Order: sequence, then C-alpha cells, then structure tokens
Amino acid sequence: GENVEQHPSTLSVQEGDSAVIKCTYSDSASNYFPWYKQELGKRPQLIIDIRSNVGEKKDQRIAVTLNKTAKHFSLHITETQPEDSAVYFCAALGAFGQNFVFGPGTRLSVLP
Amino acid sequence: KAGVTQTPRYLIKTRGQQVTLSCSPISGHRSVSWYQQTPGQGLQFLFEYFSETQRNKGNFPGRFSGRQFSNSRSEMNVSTLELGDSALYLCASSPTSGVNQETQYFGPGTRLLVL
Repeated sequence: GENVEQHPSTLSVQEGDSAVIKCTYSDSASNYFPWYKQELGKRPQLIIDIRSNVGEKKDQRIAVTLNKTAKHFSLHITETQPEDSAVYFCAALGAFGQNFVFGPGTRLSVLP
Repeated sequence: KAGVTQTPRYLIKTRGQQVTLSCSPISGHRSVSWYQQTPGQGLQFLFEYFSETQRNKGNFPGRFSGRQFSNSRSEMNVSTLELGDSALYLCASSPTSGVNQETQYFGPGTRLLVL
C-alpha cells in the first residue's frame, strides 16, 4: 500500500523567511496530494492541493510542487508570519477507491 | 454550507466500556472517512463509507466499527475500550463528484479519554 514520509518533523524559521516541507510517496498510481494545516486544538484545514497532471500550484504565499518521477511533493511558504505556526500534514490519494495516507506531520514555528 | 460536525466533542470513558461517535457531513457529500489522531501516530485511517457501504478499511481491530445512514451521517463505535484508544477521532467528508470530488473536509473531532 501507499506510504508517505514527511520531513522535517519540526521546523523553526524567522518571521519573513521561507519554509519548505517535503513529502515522498511510494505508490506511483497516487494522483492527488493535499496539504492540511492544523492549529492547536483545531481541525485540519485544507490549504492547498495538487493533482498529478500539474507540476506546480500557487496561492498567494503558499505553493506546492510535484515531481512525479521522483515521487515527491513539497510545500513552500514564503514571507512566513507568526500565524503560520501550526502542524502541517501532507497526504496522498491512490487510484480511485483508495483511501488517503497522511504523512506524520511537520510542526512549523515562526519566530517573531 | 455548514461544515462537518461531530458529536460529542469530548468524552470520558473507562476501560471495557463502549462508545459511539457521530459525524454529520457537509450537505451533499456522500463519502465519510474516519481517522484516529494521536501525538505519536499522526492521522491513522480507520474506514470510509460511501452510500451506506464501507468502501475502505484501515488496519484497526474489529473493536472499531462504523456505519453510514441514508442521509450520509455516519457513526463509529468502539467496543471494549482500551487505554490506548484515547485519541482525537476526526471524520472528514468528500463530495465524490465534480471538480474537487476527492477533497476531504474535516470535522472538529471528538476527543476521547479512556481511564
């Protein structure tokens, strides 16, 4: 089955710097890759997603890149702000009918 | 549209008891998935229901079960509770049709504490 690894497990950056979180997946049939942000005590919130027919997607300060050949995808956050501090989860969805597999999460701390 | 809702939000049980958690998906969403979230194990997939049928199942013991009703609301049940079942239980719903058919939207979770 699918296996998703995520690195780093913790990340501290200075406010205004960029943050990059990387995930790798094992199933080449996976075709949908969302990223979720979970603040303390709150539900995971979808922040951006990408499908396998696209290499990059941007939404303001957030971008996701996908390398299907290497089977990895990355979350890029530019101009980080303290409110970006949270745990970020990546996930992969396999072929139709499969379930999501989540990475273990990255705790991002943006220091003022 | 109203978001995914879960009840109860908090629950305290003792070992050996059973518990039922409820999830109401976003209106029009027909798929409901359940996850167990613990600090050490992250988000672990329990099962997914679509049109009242279990479509996928994770690697959890048979003490964990679920069902879905005709209005897409879903319940999960855990029997013979163990201390290790203490966790945040999240459900997520997906539209299963349209452009964003796979996108999952999470509920606030039910925090279960087993004593």
